[in-house]
Amino acid sequence: DGGITQSPKYLFRKEGQNVTLSCEQNLNHDAMYWYRQDPGQGLRLIYYSQIVNDFQKGDIAEGYSVSREKKESFPLTVTSAQKNPTAFYLCASRQAGETQYFGPGTRLLVL
Amino acid sequence: AQSVAQPEDQVNVAEGNPLTVKCTYSVSGNPYLFWYVQYPNRGLQFLLKYITGDNLVKGSYGFEAEFNKSQTSFHLKKPSALVSDSALYFCAVRDGAGTYKYIFGTGTRLKVLA
Repeated sequence: DGGITQSPKYLFRKEGQNVTLSCEQNLNHDAMYWYRQDPGQGLRLIYYSQIVNDFQKGDIAEGYSVSREKKESFPLTVTSAQKNPTAFYLCASRQAGETQYFGPGTRLLVL
Repeated sequence: AQSVAQPEDQVNVAEGNPLTVKCTYSVSGNPYLFWYVQYPNRGLQFLLKYITGDNLVKGSYGFEAEFNKSQTSFHLKKPSALVSDSALYFCAVRDGAGTYKYIFGTGTRLKVLA
């Protein structure tokens, strides 16, 4: 988990509310990723960014948005359009040698 | 389409015995394969990867994996299991289309019994 921080550890969302999950890395990695983890489904890609000011949709981008204004930061917003947001959210960054490194995760719960 | 399969939801093994966690893949082009481990309520930790070279890859904590191109498999192995190895293990493959997307298996829960 070293080098990548995610906050908060737990996040509660009310109906109709947008919430933002933070991901920061000090590894000087260009690429960053957001995944959603649900029991029995493994990790599914939400968004990824290869470089600052650029990002692409993953397999389940609907109801989510991201920005990449700084190399070290890749925040994820879970919008009110995401009807089933309860999950464990993982951020990762990638070095040039292919390996992704993951943060400790944020667990999002709906009130 | 690229895919990864982990056919076993759970693997039980006695402490001290060898363990194997299975992974098969389907990818166009040369495969880039990875194993990660996850402890409860934690992020994923990198164990090892195969990019090119020797088919037997050695990684962290005594784990190794064997790349088998003809069987499209990349099974994770350890000669002697520890109780502390009990965790959730994920196999992953990098998308071969040059997009740098990674596809993960559904995970295998390893339980090492004392």
